[in-house]
Amino acid sequence: DSGVTQTPKHLITATGQRVTLRCSPRSGDLSVYWYQQSLDQGLQFLIQYYNGEERAKGNILERFSAQQFPDLHSELNLSSLELGDSALYFCASSVVAGADTQYFGPGTRLTVL
Amino acid sequence: GQNIDQPTEMTATEGAIVQINCTYQTSGFNGLFWYQQHAGEAPTFLSYNVLDGLEEKGRFSSFLSRSKGYSYLLLKELQMKDSASYLCAVRSGGYQKVTFGTGTKLQVIP
Repeated sequence: DSGVTQTPKHLITATGQRVTLRCSPRSGDLSVYWYQQSLDQGLQFLIQYYNGEERAKGNILERFSAQQFPDLHSELNLSSLELGDSALYFCASSVVAGADTQYFGPGTRLTVL
Repeated sequence: GQNIDQPTEMTATEGAIVQINCTYQTSGFNGLFWYQQHAGEAPTFLSYNVLDGLEEKGRFSSFLSRSKGYSYLLLKELQMKDSASYLCAVRSGGYQKVTFGTGTKLQVIP
């Protein structure tokens, strides 16, 4: 158990819908990262927050957005969902923005039908 | 941009040694990670190298050559539970973004 929690574990929805994925970092960690992992693909970095501020942006679609709240939990919002958005979404946390290690949560499996 | 290359799949025998290679091209290199990921599960941290040389941690060792843009993960005394994907990841850039390779799927056979 990494100490990072993600909810929900599974999510099934329809095309065109909007969903919110939630992440709580390890106690004391200030930095949160979001990744997308599609079938047979590597982890694609989406976005990083540090202490409430956006720090780095990767291959995140305009239909996706995220934020980190004062209590340091983070939410990833996915809208106008398409079939291709079906994937595992991982959240990771680290103590600081450039920490040696990122600790990953168990992931949310999103299925868009 | 960044480019990270790893073999897609490897097979090795229980009890043997296997070496998984990773080559990368990036600017502002600031460290290389290896993660293990079992199917459908979260990646777990294995090792971190920022200086040239070998880092040993139990059955797992990781090597880095910054001048060659090359790293390898060495797994000794392979066990069936080592069957997993092994992800090479590079940290670089001003904000130290971490970019993952597509991973090497290792199958350990009896």
